[in-house]
Amino acid sequence: GESVGLHLPTLSVQEGDNSIINCAYSNSASDYFIWYKQESGKGPQFIIDIRSNMDKRQGQRVTVLLNKTVKHLSLQIAATQPGDSAVYFCAEKRDNYGQNFVFGPGTRLSVLP
Amino acid sequence: DAGVIQSPRHEVTEMGQEVTLRCKPISGHNSLFWYRQTMMRGLELLIYFNNNVPIDDSGMPEDRFSAKMPNASFSTLKIQPSEPRDSAVYFCASSPGTGQPQHFGDGTRLSIL
Repeated sequence: GESVGLHLPTLSVQEGDNSIINCAYSNSASDYFIWYKQESGKGPQFIIDIRSNMDKRQGQRVTVLLNKTVKHLSLQIAATQPGDSAVYFCAEKRDNYGQNFVFGPGTRLSVLP
Repeated sequence: DAGVIQSPRHEVTEMGQEVTLRCKPISGHNSLFWYRQTMMRGLELLIYFNNNVPIDDSGMPEDRFSAKMPNASFSTLKIQPSEPRDSAVYFCASSPGTGQPQHFGDGTRLSIL
């Protein structure tokens, strides 16, 4: 029979444009969030993090925005490059679940030449 | 600095066989995590250790799975007996402590025939 799997949201952007990847979280008690990048055949790599006492944090070409009111997290990548093509995961820290971090399903970013 | 080292990178074996996956965390990291990644379920936490002690194994699928951390520099995930539905990529990650970014290995791609 046909296999059913996760249908990863896909974002396609032109090289040089800015990318915005979104993530919704469900636990209002989550106090720490991380964005990871996973390239094919590799493990997730840390990109940037943010704690709940902040609403914005910037890194090199990346910015994370946190909106606690609507429980939404976004990752902005400036001047997207071919090397940015990957799957991006958000992760939230939920101590009250007894687990350390819970990962979202991921978004696939494809950079078009 | 060496990152998280996992072995083997690939494993193909017949159902019913015992499978042992190995992980060497980053030196000085106190927390170690085992994850499983599949198309169907995404990235799932199986178990994590703090200071070599298992803290939460609620993600371990069933008694066929077991994990040990005999010392701060080594952990194993064992499946006995293995089944085709165990086929997945298994990741090990370590972090300096709970609630801090996790550093992932490049995973073991396991295929059970």
